[in-house]
Parts: sequence; C-alpha cells; structure tokens
Amino acid sequence: EDKVVQSPLSLVVHEGDTVTLNCSYEVTNFRSLLWYKQEKKAPTFLFMLTSSGIEKKSGRLSSILDKKELFSILNITATQTGDSAVYLCAVGGGGKLIFGQGTELSVKP
Amino acid sequence: DAGVTQSPTHLIKTRGQQVTLRCSPKSGHDTVSWYQQALGQGPQFIFQYYEEEERQRGNFPDRFSGHQFPNYSSELNVNALLLGDSALYLCASTSYRAGNTEAFFGQGTRLTVV
Repeated sequence: EDKVVQSPLSLVVHEGDTVTLNCSYEVTNFRSLLWYKQEKKAPTFLFMLTSSGIEKKSGRLSSILDKKELFSILNITATQTGDSAVYLCAVGGGGKLIFGQGTELSVKP
Repeated sequence: DAGVTQSPTHLIKTRGQQVTLRCSPKSGHDTVSWYQQALGQGPQFIFQYYEEEERQRGNFPDRFSGHQFPNYSSELNVNALLLGDSALYLCASTSYRAGNTEAFFGQGTRLTVV
C-alpha cells in the first residue's frame, strides 16, 4: 500500500532557528514529490521535485529529493512567526496525490 | 486569474442527509480531484475527474459520488451522511494536457455532521 510518512509530527522553535522537516515515501508509479504549506484551509504550493539531488530554493525555504533512499527534506532557515503552519508532503503517482500526516510547525517570538 | 474556488465555505448537516459541494478549477485546468481532510490528518484522495468521467477513485464508499461539467467545474455529493464525514473537503485542479504539474487547492468546504 502506498504511504507517505512525515517527521516530526510537531515542532516548536524560536524565531531565527533553522528547521528540517522530513518526508519518506513508498509509492508505486512515483512521478513527483510536492511540499505544501497549510495555514488555515487551502494548502499553498511550495515546491515540486522530480529529480534526485537537485535542490530547489525559494527565499529561506529549500528542498531536495533522494529517489534512491525515497525521502525528501524541507529546510527553513531564519524562521519567522509567519512560518507557523502545517507543512504537508505529497507524492504524485498516477494522477493522484498521496499525503503524509503533516508536520505542525510553531515558531515562537 | 481566478484560482480554485469552492462553495460553500461552511456547512452543517444532520446525520442521514445528503450534501453537494462545488468546485471551479483554476483557469486553464481541466482535471479536478477531491480530497477529505480530517482534523489533524493529511488530505485523503477521494476521486478525480477528467473529461467528465471519474478517472481514479480512492478508498471511499459509494456514498461519495461526483460529477464534472463541460466547463470543467465539479461537484462532490455525499449521501446518508455519517458523523465521521465531518471534515474539510478540498478540491484541487491540475492540467492533464500540460502533464499534470502542481495541483492548486481551493479554500475548502468545512462540513460538520451533527
């Protein structure tokens, strides 16, 4: 059965800290791995990764995929209170997205 | 450029009732997928519609059904509601013709079954 596992499930840090969120997967028909940020309702798109070893960056956020070891990490540097959210990892396979449980990040001032 | 829009935003229903949720995809997108997100969980895939047909289905009972219209908008219907159907229902759109790139999500419909 396809599955996506995220760790940790929750994390509390202080502003300025660096965090690393983990996502491992076992999915048939892997096509892509996506990261989303969910603050209230709609998950908002962060990154889509399809190739191993190529880091994607957007401001203080970066992500990389390892297709051999079947995992991805999302890094957030110099965290801010606005980074507080649930971060979802999803694997695209055969048209649908398979999500992990999410990591709830809380950034304290 | 309008993103994915869903209606209504909130809904309260009684056990045994039926509900219809609506979704309009992002402009240029032709594929709509529906997800159920229980509190504290990641979204779970319900089904996907393309060219007005259900193309894939997740592990949900037949009480969950859907439809896609010629303008690509979609409906999710749930019959005989159970308390366990209370959740956030998310609609996501992609473009099959563009190779199913990243999925964009609507704000969701919060369904409460009492």
